[in-house]
Amino acid sequence: DIQMTQSPSSLSASVGDRVTITCRASQGISNYLAWYQQKPGKVPKLLIYAASTLQSGVPSRFSGSGSGTDFTLTISSLQPEDVATYYCQKYNSAPITFGQGTRLEIK
Amino acid sequence: EVQLVESGGGLVQPGGSLRLSCAASGFTFSSYAMSWVRQAPGKGLEWVSAISGSGGSTYYADSVKGRFTISRDNSKNTLYLQMNSLRAEDTAVYYCAKGTTYDLRDHYFDYWGQGTLVTVSS
Repeated sequence: DIQMTQSPSSLSASVGDRVTITCRASQGISNYLAWYQQKPGKVPKLLIYAASTLQSGVPSRFSGSGSGTDFTLTISSLQPEDVATYYCQKYNSAPITFGQGTRLEIK
Repeated sequence: EVQLVESGGGLVQPGGSLRLSCAASGFTFSSYAMSWVRQAPGKGLEWVSAISGSGGSTYYADSVKGRFTISRDNSKNTLYLQMNSLRAEDTAVYYCAKGTTYDLRDHYFDYWGQGTLVTVSS
C-alpha cells in the first residue's frame, strides 16, 4: 500500500508568514492528491484537489503544487483563522490514505 | 444544500456490534460514491470503507476487512456501516463523506457529516 508522509508534524509561524507543508507518497500517484483543513473541534474541509486545484470558496492564499511523489501546500500569508491541522490524502486507488497531519499554530 | 447526518454511534463492549447510518440530502445520492472515515481521539484521519454509487463495488481498509460491511439504500438516500467484532482500537468519531464521482475515480471528499462517536469499552 502507498504511504503518505507529511512534514513537519507541527509548525509555528507568525501572522503574515509564508507557510509550506510537504506531503510525500511512497510511490507515484500522479496528481491524485487532496488537502484538507481541520480546525479544532470541527469537521475536515476540502481545500485543494488534483494537487493544485483550489476548491470553490477557499481563499486564494492557499495553493498546492506537485506531482508524482512530492507535493506541497502553501499559505502565502498566514492568518489567525488558519490555525488548524492539515492533512493530505491520496486517492488514485484503494486503499485511500491520509497523511498523519501537520498541526499549524500562530507564534 | 448538501447535508450528511450520521447516527447510530454509542458505547459498545469489545466483541459487540453497531450499525451506523448516514442520511444524505441536497444531491443525487445514487450518483456518488461514499466513504466512511474515522478519527480516533486526538489522532489523525483514517479511511475505513467506500462504496460506489450503485453499491456494486465496495472497498475496505485492511484494519476493518472481514469485520465491517458498508452498504447503501439509494431509495432512502442512506449510507450504512455495519460494524461487528468491535475492538478498543475502533473507538473513534466516524464521519460519512461524499465523493465526487460515481466510482472510486477521484475519490476525494467535498462534503463531510458532523460525525458520530463510537466507543468500544467494557
